[in-house]
Amino acid sequence: DSGVTQTPKHLITATGQRVTLRCSPRSGDLSVYWYQQSLDQGLQFLIQYYNGEERAKGNILERFSAQQFPDLHSELNLSSLELGDSALYFCASSPYQGMNTEAFFGQGTRLTVV
Amino acid sequence: AQSVAQPEDQVNVAEGNPLTVKCTYSVSGNPYLFWYVQYPNRGLQFLLKYITGDNLVKGSYGFEAEFNKSQTSFHLKKPSALVSDSALYFCAVRPPGGFKTIFGAGTRLFVKA
Repeated sequence: DSGVTQTPKHLITATGQRVTLRCSPRSGDLSVYWYQQSLDQGLQFLIQYYNGEERAKGNILERFSAQQFPDLHSELNLSSLELGDSALYFCASSPYQGMNTEAFFGQGTRLTVV
Repeated sequence: AQSVAQPEDQVNVAEGNPLTVKCTYSVSGNPYLFWYVQYPNRGLQFLLKYITGDNLVKGSYGFEAEFNKSQTSFHLKKPSALVSDSALYFCAVRPPGGFKTIFGAGTRLFVKA
């Protein structure tokens, strides 16, 4: 168990809908990362927050947004969902924003858009 | 463009034999290098990392990796494979001065009993 908790584990929703994925980082970790894993795109970095502030942005669509709250949990909001958004979404955390620290991953939320 | 390549989609090895999972990268400067493993229906787990120093890095579960700067490679190795090592392995690179981690496409390792 990595200590990173993601909810829900599974989510099935229709095209055009909006969903929110939640992540609780390991105790004491200030950095939260979001990744999308799909069969055709592999593991794609979406966004990173450090202590409530956005630190880095990757291949995140404009329909997607995230935030990190004062208690350090994070939410990833996906709107106007399309079939192609079906994927496994991972949250990861690390103690620092630093470049040489490894990340600890949650078990992921599997999103299916029908 | 910065990239990470794992040239083999799949590696097959017999239990007890040595294994190598290859990784090369294209990043300027001295990046930080990582290996992660993913078991079915699980998140990625950290195995080892290279930051600086000795080119041979030892990690979890008996894995090690060899950093080769001239070849820009960071191959994952294990002297004696176990069936339980069967999983998906990801090489990752973090460019110097950056926060974004670039992951390879992953290599599926099958260890046959």
